[in-house]
Amino acid sequence: DQQVKQNSPSLSVQEGRISILNCDYTNSMFDYFLWYKKYPAEGPTFLISISSIKDKNEDGRFTVFLNKSAKHLSLHIVPSQPGDSAVYFCAASVWGMEYGNKLVFGAGTILRVKS
Amino acid sequence: KAGVTQTPRYLIKTRGQQVTLSCSPISGHRSVSWYQQTPGQGLQFLFEYFSETQRNKGNFPGRFSGRQFSNSRSEMNVSTLELGDSALYLCASGRGGLDEQFFGPGTRLTVL
Repeated sequence: DQQVKQNSPSLSVQEGRISILNCDYTNSMFDYFLWYKKYPAEGPTFLISISSIKDKNEDGRFTVFLNKSAKHLSLHIVPSQPGDSAVYFCAASVWGMEYGNKLVFGAGTILRVKS
Repeated sequence: KAGVTQTPRYLIKTRGQQVTLSCSPISGHRSVSWYQQTPGQGLQFLFEYFSETQRNKGNFPGRFSGRQFSNSRSEMNVSTLELGDSALYLCASGRGGLDEQFFGPGTRLTVL
């Protein structure tokens, strides 16, 4: 069962505009959410995270929004740059000292920023 | 601060062989997790080690095993390789609490 879903396989945005990547989840026990960026043949690079007690977290051009009632989170990139072109993965976890921090990933969204 | 390192970066094996992959976490990190990425299944959790103990395991057969040493370095072993084991194997390290995990570059395993 897909507990984390990224329903848009790809997104194309003009340089300088906003990119909005979406993610839905089904497990209400998830308490930590992360976004990663990945280039081919490389490991994912951590971008930004948010815990379930917050609804927004900002870091430079990246903002993550969490809507717990809708089980939805989104990543906003403003302004978008050509170097942002990559695959973006949403991940979620339920943490406990006895069972650790297992990340459940979405399928990814390919972002293309056109110059 | 050095990042997560994985060796080797590329491996070619034949069916039935076994393979060992290595991961060195970021200094000070005590948690190491392993993930498999394939085109069909995406990124899937294999297992997590914290202070030399396996804390969690994903839905993979017993042919997949791992261990963690006292210096937090980790190894992953796959025995009796199958064609479907061809994948990018990623290692991630973290402090072990509710925090972000940082990934290494991965080991690309090809099984012929």
